Amino acid sequence: KQEVTQIPAALSVPEGENLVLNCSFTDSAIYNLQWFRQDPGKGLTSLLLIQSSQREQTSGRLNASLDKSSGRSTLYIAASQPGDSATYLCAVPMIKAAGNKLTFGGGTRVLVKP
Amino acid sequence: SAVISQKPSRDICQRGTSLTIQCQVDSQVTMMFWYRQQPGQSLTLIATANQGSEATYESGFVIDKFPISRPNLTFSTLTVSNMSPEDSSIYLCSAVVSRSRETQYFGPGTRLLVL
Repeated sequence: KQEVTQIPAALSVPEGENLVLNCSFTDSAIYNLQWFRQDPGKGLTSLLLIQSSQREQTSGRLNASLDKSSGRSTLYIAASQPGDSATYLCAVPMIKAAGNKLTFGGGTRVLVKP
Repeated sequence: SAVISQKPSRDICQRGTSLTIQCQVDSQVTMMFWYRQQPGQSLTLIATANQGSEATYESGFVIDKFPISRPNLTFSTLTVSNMSPEDSSIYLCSAVVSRSRETQYFGPGTRLLVL
């Protein structure tokens, strides 16, 4: 059974500092990995999806890396801003199939202080 | 991307009653799902909503408690039946749309409080 862990559970940084968020998974035979952002009381916004054949994916200030062999993904957010304050979740498909049911990590709650 | 809407956005309900949540997607959908997020926790999958047939439920969730319908490709409903305070959660629907490959998009969620 796939288990997804995110460490740390919470992170507080001053504005301008780079953020590094970690995600680990127990079954390395994943099809893809997706990073989401959730604002308090809101739904999820998809940030990045990395296919299993990719090593990294970039969108603006966000960069996500994937190391399947070690069961890890890292989300980097460059030059953090107060608007980046949110909970960040990673998720992988529960079985080896495309677009399938996701198992989520517990999330990292980020606070960027002005 | 895809836009997913949910109604209602929030509700306060009495114990023993039922609430039906609607989910509408603005794009061609390949798969739809319902998740629950209990207070302070991450998301747990309730079921896969199958078009025109019974939903596929995850361990710990049953049709009598969470009946789901999906009458067409882009619309689904989740009913939370015979509610108790333990059902107080955010309920989210999600979809994989045809043109996005595997990216899964989420609705804004329905925040439910059961008294």
